[in-house]
Amino acid sequence: DTGVSQDPRHKITKRGQNVTFRCDPISEHNRLYWYRQTLGQGPEFLTYFQNEAQLEKSRLLSDRFSAERPKGSFSTLEIQRTEQGDSAMYLCASSTGRNNEQFFGPGTRLTVL
Amino acid sequence: GENVEQHPSTLSVQEGDSAVIKCTYSDSASNYFPWYKQELGKRPQLIIDIRSNVGEKKDQRIAVTLNKTAKHFSLHITETQPEDSAVYFCAASKGPGANSKLTFGKGITLSVRP
Repeated sequence: DTGVSQDPRHKITKRGQNVTFRCDPISEHNRLYWYRQTLGQGPEFLTYFQNEAQLEKSRLLSDRFSAERPKGSFSTLEIQRTEQGDSAMYLCASSTGRNNEQFFGPGTRLTVL
Repeated sequence: GENVEQHPSTLSVQEGDSAVIKCTYSDSASNYFPWYKQELGKRPQLIIDIRSNVGEKKDQRIAVTLNKTAKHFSLHITETQPEDSAVYFCAASKGPGANSKLTFGKGITLSVRP
């Protein structure tokens, strides 16, 4: 499968714990995006990278959230001190940057108890 | 910032009929408008997109039209089939440059009755 992949697919954690998600984009795509989707809503932008540079962060991204893309390939999204309001589907997307067509991964569903 | 709204929130059609889903956007600088289909428990799938220099685009049974003056765009599905049942999201962005993030609408649930 040469599409965007995400790991894990599901994560259940207790409030206050830290969690980390991974996204592997389509290999030739230099742009990588993180979105969050809650039930009944469209995806909301969190942050994006061009190669290893983090170019934009949403105001939704509190200080407890951090994202990295150290070698310009895969990316990680870490949430520290999770809260119940962090429960959502975290989606990753990638694009070539030439035409802005963004292709999504299957998402990581986070449940904070 | 950009605000994207979808109307209606649900739509039910008879198999074989056409379906039209409308979106409005607020930022006149937006120039890229994709549509995504999301089936239950699956990833959003890009089905068609349109750029601001084009008024209409077709791909088999689906088409998208754009009215820049009114700041709205629509998805048209002809000869609907039960497998078209899903949630459809419209989005807008000012990409592909620095402002390439997508702003999504809340989605519309399309049900195609067999």
